[in-house]
Amino acid sequence: SAVISQKPSRDICQRGTSLTIQCQVDSQVTMMFWYRQQPGQSLTLIATANQGSEATYESGFVIDKFPISRPNLTFSTLTVSNMSPEDSSIYLCSARPRLTDTQYFGPGTRLTVL
Amino acid sequence: SQQGEEDPQALSIQEGENATMNCSYKTSINNLQWYRQNSGRGLVHLILIRSNEREKHSGRLRVTLDTSKKSSSLLITASRAADTASYFCATDDNTDKLIFGTGTRLQVFP
Repeated sequence: SAVISQKPSRDICQRGTSLTIQCQVDSQVTMMFWYRQQPGQSLTLIATANQGSEATYESGFVIDKFPISRPNLTFSTLTVSNMSPEDSSIYLCSARPRLTDTQYFGPGTRLTVL
Repeated sequence: SQQGEEDPQALSIQEGENATMNCSYKTSINNLQWYRQNSGRGLVHLILIRSNEREKHSGRLRVTLDTSKKSSSLLITASRAADTASYFCATDDNTDKLIFGTGTRLQVFP
């Protein structure tokens, strides 16, 4: 299994600003992912965070808006740039450890943009 | 959209009753995973069932998978108030990415 922590757990931000969310896994993992959960909705994959290379973004998400870093096998960051109220969501990090198909999720970051 | 569908959207039952949630998906899959989410917090992994499996148990949970119908069900037996949460299915089509269903909100009354 994997234990995942995220910082911050929640934040309230002004439109036009940016927020960086950190994700830390307690063990080395092959795959890390970032999801968005809009209010009352299910989860949507934003991107796969690739170690040592650029993230792979899903349709509808772009690097300029959601830059992602993954400097090593246990850590990743997601930045929500130039925020608007439509970015108010829960952002979740997940990881898939080696030798397993199970994906584990962090506790999420609840973002409110005013 | 490739998102799966879950039904019912919401389910209210009394403690001790069983709760059944259904999930349908659209593509061929490697496995299907069920998660629980309490009050907009992080997701807790419940169970993973592979495409070559038809049924799996874990404690009070029973999951079935019918790949010919592209559907799965989650049964929670002898429900408790603490089972109140949203439940999501998610499919892995062997691209390492999970596609989530729309979710079922379960309310268990004491």
